[in-house]
Amino acid sequence: DGGITQSPKYLFRKEGQNVTLSCEQNLNHDAMYWYRQDPGQGLRLIYYSQIVNDFQKGDIAEGYSVSREKKESFPLTVTSAQKNPTAFYLCASSLDRGRLKAGELFFGEGSRLTVL
Amino acid sequence: KNEVEQSPQNLTAQEGEFITINCSYSVGISALHWLQQHPGGGIVSLFMLSSGKKKHGRLIATINIQEKHSSLHITASHPRDSAVYICAVHSGGGADGLTFGKGTHLIIQP
Repeated sequence: DGGITQSPKYLFRKEGQNVTLSCEQNLNHDAMYWYRQDPGQGLRLIYYSQIVNDFQKGDIAEGYSVSREKKESFPLTVTSAQKNPTAFYLCASSLDRGRLKAGELFFGEGSRLTVL
Repeated sequence: KNEVEQSPQNLTAQEGEFITINCSYSVGISALHWLQQHPGGGIVSLFMLSSGKKKHGRLIATINIQEKHSSLHITASHPRDSAVYICAVHSGGGADGLTFGKGTHLIIQP
């Protein structure tokens, strides 16, 4: 079945370490997104990509990095520069139908990162 | 940037009750999404709508573009409907044009 796979589901990190969260989709979607979810807040956009080898910063990109070497894959690295990385991270994808239209969103199951 | 307000923040109801969750936004949009987040964290898209009304099983979503308001209704609610329901609006402007509400935490008691 088509969908989005995130891994790992749970991750623990020591302060000062970089960690990479995986996101893979087999939906043939052009657009992929990374969101961060904190208790009591709406999802906030970290990075997004509309095409291979191109990505843009979202609202809270500081301390994060991404790559888009393949259409199917959009990994997120949480660097040691991210001051408060403990959060729930969600990857999503959609058909990018153009700037004035929105495609249906597909989400992964999320990755919960805890900094020890 | 669009402001999205959901109400109520928390809702506890008995099995079988009719449920309504509301979403208001401040700026014109091209589409509105209703999402369901399971206790484990995964999110499923329930509806995407830009006008009128959509129905899927016991779920109904409506939108009033003039009033900048949408509602999600659940008929004959069941404990398995317990989840967080999130409204998100697309204001156009590309892939970064989505704004999410904080969610409504729904608990259906047997």
